[in-house]
Amino acid sequence: EDKVVQSPLSLVVHEGDTVTLNCSYEVTNFRSLLWYKQEKKAPTFLFMLTSSGIEKKSGRLSSILDKKELFSILNITATQTGDSAVYLCAVVRSGTYKYIFGTGTRLKVLA
Amino acid sequence: EAQVTQNPRYLITVTGKKLTVTCSQNMNHEYMSWYRQDPGLGLRQIYYSMNVEVTDKGDVPEGYKVSRKEKRNFPLILESPSPNQTSLYFCASAPPAKPYEQYFGPGTRLTVT
Repeated sequence: EDKVVQSPLSLVVHEGDTVTLNCSYEVTNFRSLLWYKQEKKAPTFLFMLTSSGIEKKSGRLSSILDKKELFSILNITATQTGDSAVYLCAVVRSGTYKYIFGTGTRLKVLA
Repeated sequence: EAQVTQNPRYLITVTGKKLTVTCSQNMNHEYMSWYRQDPGLGLRQIYYSMNVEVTDKGDVPEGYKVSRKEKRNFPLILESPSPNQTSLYFCASAPPAKPYEQYFGPGTRLTVT
């Protein structure tokens, strides 16, 4: 059975800390891995990773994929209270647009 | 403003009473999808559509129907809702050039008693 597992389930840090969120997957016919940020309600797209070893960056956020070990990490440096959210990882199966989501990591950044 | 809208945003209904949750996008996106989100289970895909009249099942399609008669609209139909369909529902759409960059609607919280 295909699955996506995120860790930790939750995390509390202080402003300025650096955090690493993990996403491992077991999916047949892997195509891409995506990261989303969910604050109050609707998720918003962060990154899509398809190739192993290529880092995607956006400001203080970065992500990388390891297709051999079947995982991805999302790094947030110099965290701010506005980074508080649930971070979702999803995998897309090749040849389809079917998404499998993990249950998310809840990040709380304290001032 | 580019957006995905859902209606209603909140709904309490009773078992067996047919309902429709509407989803509309104004971005001319071809891809649209429905998800449900439950505590401890994350987001699970119900149905998706690659274009008008083209739909396919996600991981949890049982008890749901969809239709895609126009590009902008993708309604979710519960013919006979049951309490286990109580959930937070999200509609999403994505552009043809970037089908994985989904834009999510604000969500519909459905309670079936």
